[in-house]
Amino acid sequence: GAGVSQTPSNKVTEKGKYVELRCDPISGHTALYWYRQSLGQGPEFLIYFQGTGAADDSGLPNDRFFAVRPEGSVSTLKIQRTERGDSAVYLCASSLTILETQYFGPGTRLLVL
Amino acid sequence: AQKVTQAQTEISVVEKEDVTLDCVYETRDTTYYLFWYKQPPSGELVFLIRRNSFDEQNEISGRYSWNFQKSTSSFNFTITASQVVDSAVYFCALSSTQGGSEKLVFGKGTKLTVNP
Repeated sequence: GAGVSQTPSNKVTEKGKYVELRCDPISGHTALYWYRQSLGQGPEFLIYFQGTGAADDSGLPNDRFFAVRPEGSVSTLKIQRTERGDSAVYLCASSLTILETQYFGPGTRLLVL
Repeated sequence: AQKVTQAQTEISVVEKEDVTLDCVYETRDTTYYLFWYKQPPSGELVFLIRRNSFDEQNEISGRYSWNFQKSTSSFNFTITASQVVDSAVYFCALSSTQGGSEKLVFGKGTKLTVNP
């Protein structure tokens, strides 16, 4: 079956602009995670959804970052007033439910100029 | 706090050599999971294995094997008879129950290069 998909694969924006990154999880997976990976580092947790609600957003770096999952499937990560330090690969993962293995998408490479 | 340490930043071997990637973890949870993921140059993280903290049996899958030792908080990964296609960055990860999310805490990764 289809894996986790993420769009766009690459996004270039200017400092101060607003961006949206989309994640389409594996069909039937109720748990969805966002991670951010900087160059040469391991992924770092941002936010977790169980169904439609954000059950854990402790990894969001500040209030410029926000994510939604209105129908319990597709999720959108939104970044306001982007900064150069936001440049990274944003990874989405999904799992059948909590305590199950997380499967990752290909990521969105964000570059803020 | 949960922490994963992969002390080897980069390893280079010649094809057919065996190679072991080290992983040491810290957690106060009594129940946890350990993982290995592979990230080839294409960038997508590929799941390799998940291990429950109560199961210390070693596991073998083809050329891959994993050694879990709770006494030393280590979960090492060995590739036998390495191949060029094994070249990738390998991440060890620990699932954390803090916040009830089962979020993954990753090490910084070990870049493995297998030369022909």
